[in-house]
Amino acid sequence: NAGVTQTPKFQVLKTGQSMTLQCAQDMNHNSMYWYRQDPGMGLRLIYYSASEGTTDKGEVPNGYNVSRLNKREFSLRLESAAPSQTSVYFCASSERLWERSNQPQHFGDGTRLSIL
Amino acid sequence: AQRVTQPEKLLSVFKGAPVELKCNYSYSGSPELFWYVQYSRQRLQLLLRHISRESIKGFTADLNKGETSFHLKKPFAQEEDSAMYYCALGYYSGGSYIPTFGRGTSLIVHP
Repeated sequence: NAGVTQTPKFQVLKTGQSMTLQCAQDMNHNSMYWYRQDPGMGLRLIYYSASEGTTDKGEVPNGYNVSRLNKREFSLRLESAAPSQTSVYFCASSERLWERSNQPQHFGDGTRLSIL
Repeated sequence: AQRVTQPEKLLSVFKGAPVELKCNYSYSGSPELFWYVQYSRQRLQLLLRHISRESIKGFTADLNKGETSFHLKKPFAQEEDSAMYYCALGYYSGGSYIPTFGRGTSLIVHP
């Protein structure tokens, strides 16, 4: 049981390049999330998807797009990468968005992205 | 805006000493509060949630609505407790449930 799987684990991009970070979960969870983690900033929510077919902006959505391809997969796209997007990106999922106390989120291993 | 504040970036203690990691929140409604832990080279994982009133790995956290705090405590720290700890707040906005994390506190337990 893999839980939440992110690919790739590491990536180096040049400014202006585009890239898609992939995330898949095998727990049949409805909700999925993308965070970025920067030193001294903790985790900041980029986008989330309450359920298949819906996506919403989080705290720091600028420069990113997302696609909830199906219930399992939630991808994050950088259309034109900028050095400020150098970060560690985490995908997470949770069982149900609507039920209180059901936040417990399962996290992936993260993608370390460097933009030169 | 809903916020979670962890005032200490780093907390350093000796083995056997008591530990308290502070967390304060701002939210006008009924909060859902959690502590997550990230050990070195491991995934971020849920440690405990206030609604469960549980003790995990010797840690407890009590929600104090008057002080809007959810401090994480352990009476006797162990070296294996060394990790990054995140306090998190869950709240509803526009029909969606939004998780918000604090900036984290790095706990180092010295032998």
